[in-house]
Amino acid sequence: AQTVTQSQPEMSVQEAETVTLSCTYDTSESDYYLFWYKQPPSRQMILVIRQEAYKQQNATENRFSVNFQKAAKSFSLKISDSQLGDAAMYFCAYRNPGKGGGADGLTFGKGTHLIIQP
Amino acid sequence: DTAVSQTPKYLVTQMGNDKSIKCEQNLGHDTMYWYKQDSKKFLKIMFSYNNKELIINETVPNRFSPKSPDKAHLNLHINSLELGDSAVYFCASSQAGISTDTQYFGPGTRLTVL
Repeated sequence: AQTVTQSQPEMSVQEAETVTLSCTYDTSESDYYLFWYKQPPSRQMILVIRQEAYKQQNATENRFSVNFQKAAKSFSLKISDSQLGDAAMYFCAYRNPGKGGGADGLTFGKGTHLIIQP
Repeated sequence: DTAVSQTPKYLVTQMGNDKSIKCEQNLGHDTMYWYKQDSKKFLKIMFSYNNKELIINETVPNRFSPKSPDKAHLNLHINSLELGDSAVYFCASSQAGISTDTQYFGPGTRLTVL
């Protein structure tokens, strides 16, 4: 079974600074998908960024980018120019490709609580 | 319009009762899911339905039964509620074969069993 590990229960960063959240995973698959979700106090799960394992290029979405190291099974999230609205729980998630038209569920890490200091 | 909606958002009930949580998606997706988030914020898949067929049942007690009347709806019925069932339950949906099958989540239902 796949596992996802987020080793930082909590991170703190000054507003406008850059912060990197760590994520490692374990899988025997060669093709899979990785995601970062954000959960603010409202508890809504919001997709931040996604990465296909077959793509070597790191995904980027505005201030959010990932450092995907397939051999090391590492998928870190970098948030540039941190804003107060970035304060939330961040979850790293893994999914196998769907088989037969169905889609596997996501395997989540335990999350990192990100605090933004004004 | 809300893409994935759940009702109710909050549910408080007594041990032993039976309750249902409803989920609807208007994204035209063919796969829907239920996740449970415990008090430590850990999220775990419970069920997945693809075109009204159960795909996953991750060692969930028989007291939990998903029901999908059509591919836009996936309801969760829970019998004989226990204290340990207190959690936030999330519904999600995705479309197989499109853009990494990204899952979009509902707002969650906080279930409290007294």
